[in-house]
Amino acid sequence: QKEVEQNSGPLSVPEGAIASLNCTYSDRGSQSFFWYRQYSGKSPELIMSIYSNGDKEDGRFTAQLNKASQYVSLLIRDSQPSDSATYLCAVVESGTYKYIFGTGTRLKVLA
Amino acid sequence: ETGVTQSPTHLIKTRGQQVTLRCSSQSGHNTVSWYQQALGQGPQFIFQYYREEENGRGNFPPRFSGLQFPNYSSELNVNALELDDSALYLCASSYSGGLNNEQFFGPGTRLTVL
Repeated sequence: QKEVEQNSGPLSVPEGAIASLNCTYSDRGSQSFFWYRQYSGKSPELIMSIYSNGDKEDGRFTAQLNKASQYVSLLIRDSQPSDSATYLCAVVESGTYKYIFGTGTRLKVLA
Repeated sequence: ETGVTQSPTHLIKTRGQQVTLRCSSQSGHNTVSWYQQALGQGPQFIFQYYREEENGRGNFPPRFSGLQFPNYSSELNVNALELDDSALYLCASSYSGGLNNEQFFGPGTRLTVL
């Protein structure tokens, strides 16, 4: 059974700080990785995708991928109270289009 | 560009009943995936439909079934409802055949089984 692991949190950071969210996965053949944000009572919203080792930046968000270590992370710079949500890591199972999600990390940005 | 839509928003059923949930994919997308999300958990993959055929299935019993129509919209049917089926059901659409396979979620259907 392929797995995606995340710390459930809550991760509390002060406004303006950098929030660092981490995810590990078991399927060594996975090639596609995604971060979703989910506000309470809402559906997941795609914020980042990453396919190659290294960093990918989009505005205040940076995704980092290390396939050798089977590790993907999301950095949120200048965190805002509106960033308070659950962040879901998703990994596509190798050889399929099946997304495997972690349980999510709850982020709280304190004003 | 029209996003993913789902209906109904909320639904209350009793044990043993059957339910049908509906999803319209985002324009330009040809693939629909269905997920079940229990409270405090990540979405769990139920199945995916591409070209009107099931294209992969998660660990869900046969009483979970689906359809995809020529316009790429989709239905999820659940028979013989159980209390544990209470969850948020999410539909996600994507384009299969492109360089990436980003999935975009609809607002979900909240199902309560009493």
